[in-house]
Amino acid sequence: GAGVSQSPRYKVTKRGQDVTLRCDPISSHATLYWYQQALGQGPEFLTYFNYEAQPDKSGLPSDRFSAERPEGSISTLTIQRTEQRDSAMYRCASSLFRTDKETQYFGPGTRLLVL
Amino acid sequence: AQTVTQSQPEMSVQEAETVTLSCTYDTSESDYYLFWYKQPPSRQMILVIRQEAYKQQNATENRFSVNFQKAAKSFSLKISDSQLGDAAMYFCAYRSEGGYGQNFVFGPGTRLSVLP
Repeated sequence: GAGVSQSPRYKVTKRGQDVTLRCDPISSHATLYWYQQALGQGPEFLTYFNYEAQPDKSGLPSDRFSAERPEGSISTLTIQRTEQRDSAMYRCASSLFRTDKETQYFGPGTRLLVL
Repeated sequence: AQTVTQSQPEMSVQEAETVTLSCTYDTSESDYYLFWYKQPPSRQMILVIRQEAYKQQNATENRFSVNFQKAAKSFSLKISDSQLGDAAMYFCAYRSEGGYGQNFVFGPGTRLSVLP
């Protein structure tokens, strides 16, 4: 596609529910990142993928958070048993792996609100 | 661990004037990359400019240029001939050479307003 897309754009859920967020990176981009961004703050790294491999998930705040990219393209971020503190913007970004690995192209984000 | 600091939470500039946004960072590494990202009200994150630490020449992209002072660990962004469309949140970011993931660190951002 022309850019990174994310869905849904907004998600309101009740505490204790599970949510799954989706990221569709730029086609041919091998590397995909997930970030959490609080209002008025910079993005904070959660995890990333090289194709379907997930070399680093050290940024995931708890074991309630998990991410997948089973076919090396679309990725999902799942938050189980959501808590109010999970409310934030969740951003996905992708980059070419070898030729332009430094430049990340961000998606529009999913705004999550946990009531 | 690397840190990125943006000491100006908010800045404003008159249309057509020049403004400089400051960024400092802390690292013990010698090879790394620095970036400025723009986040307009649409909340998309857009890469504005990037700098490789091993290059002494300051990066320039049209009206955007940086003043990279490696010894001082400073990486400021200059916007010339400011336009209304430049109004946005600007994030400075650092990435280690050879690393991904948590080696990509963002500052807290500077909100830029452009006055007509």
